[in-house]
Amino acid sequence: AQSVAQPEDQVNVAEGNPLTVKCTYSVSGNPYLFWYVQYPNRGLQFLLKYITGDNLVKGSYGFEAEFNKSQTSFHLKKPSALVSDSALYFCAVRGSSNYQLIWGAGTKLIIKP
Amino acid sequence: EADIYQTPRYLVIGTGKKITLECSQTMGHDKMYWYQQDPGMELHLIHYSYGVNSTEKGDLSSESTVSRIRTEHFPLTLESARPSHTSQYLCASSELGDGYEQYFGPGTRLTVT
Repeated sequence: AQSVAQPEDQVNVAEGNPLTVKCTYSVSGNPYLFWYVQYPNRGLQFLLKYITGDNLVKGSYGFEAEFNKSQTSFHLKKPSALVSDSALYFCAVRGSSNYQLIWGAGTKLIIKP
Repeated sequence: EADIYQTPRYLVIGTGKKITLECSQTMGHDKMYWYQQDPGMELHLIHYSYGVNSTEKGDLSSESTVSRIRTEHFPLTLESARPSHTSQYLCASSELGDGYEQYFGPGTRLTVT
């Protein structure tokens, strides 16, 4: 079955520390993977994607993600967290049936000053 | 400025009323989507369109209908609103093809009393 898992409902990080938001997926074929961020009372904003090529993908606002095929993971990372990074983060993968995105349940990231 | 617009932003309506949620984009995108999202939860695809006169049902069963008469416009209609329709509705657009990111509108928060 196709699915995306974000195992942590919430991640708490102190400002200035590195952050990781986890995502694992299950889909047949080559995965197309995406990260989006949602600020309160707003729509989603695209952060970065992996389609093919280098396993380390760089995106907006200093975020990056590492594609690991053997672990079927696509974790989002940032070397130094900012309070303004506090938001809801969604991982998504293109499904192999109708080729539409399958979304994770979201991870709430809280950065404390 | 290229953008994606949704109106209204907030709507409170009584049971049994017919409602139309508007979505327009000036991105020049062929593909458009409607998602349903309960607060802080994952997105569920309810409708999508590849272009004019193309509409497809998504993974989530929905009592809503959509139309695509113009490339830039993708309205969603509920013929008879029910309390179970209370949710946030997000419209998005993207270029055709599997690897393109989606751009989201600000959403419509619907409450049916």
